Amino acid sequence: AQKVTQAQTEISVVEKEDVTLDCVYETRDTTYYLFWYKQPPSGELVFLIRRNSFDEQNEISGRYSWNFQKSTSSFNFTITASQVVDSAVYFCAILPMFSGGYNKLIFGAGTRLAVHP
Amino acid sequence: DTGVSQNPRHKITKRGQNVTFRCDPISEHNRLYWYRQTLGQGPEFLTYFQNEAQLEKSRLLSDRFSAERPKGSFSTLEIQRTEQGDSAMYLCASSLEVGLDEQFFGPGTRLTVL
Repeated sequence: AQKVTQAQTEISVVEKEDVTLDCVYETRDTTYYLFWYKQPPSGELVFLIRRNSFDEQNEISGRYSWNFQKSTSSFNFTITASQVVDSAVYFCAILPMFSGGYNKLIFGAGTRLAVHP
Repeated sequence: DTGVSQNPRHKITKRGQNVTFRCDPISEHNRLYWYRQTLGQGPEFLTYFQNEAQLEKSRLLSDRFSAERPKGSFSTLEIQRTEQGDSAMYLCASSLEVGLDEQFFGPGTRLTVL
């Protein structure tokens, strides 16, 4: 089965706190891609990062960092020093390269992050 | 604006009516996708086009749903005899054909069936 689980439905933090959004995935494929998207209140999904299954190197982009651990099938996302503008719903997704069909993204249910001043 | 555009942004209809949504992808993108997102859930894949060819359809796409992409440019998604369960956000995305490029999403069309 191809599945993405985001166990945290909602997270509420105060500005400048660090926050980690969890993502656990299941797939039969050995080759796959993992993604994070942000969905602000306007509704449009904004691409944040793509990681392939052979690249377990962690990545940092400004206040954002991602921790990919194949051994635990997790691809967690950390926001450092959160800001009010980070308030949004964040989706983790997987794209299995063989059993998933033509670039079909499989999304988790999302984590709603609320950052308060 | 060179992003993915969708029209209309909102649609309210009565049960049993037909509705049609339009998606204009980023101009050089060959691949086009439709997803459906219900409240509190992530988007779910509906169908995929490469140029004008519809290459995959989800089981979610009942026979009341039809999608087209004439000439490989814009796409339309039609829902016939709408039901209340069709109420959702319908998202369109596009990507390049070459390699694995990320999917760029449009703002979505929110459908409410009364």
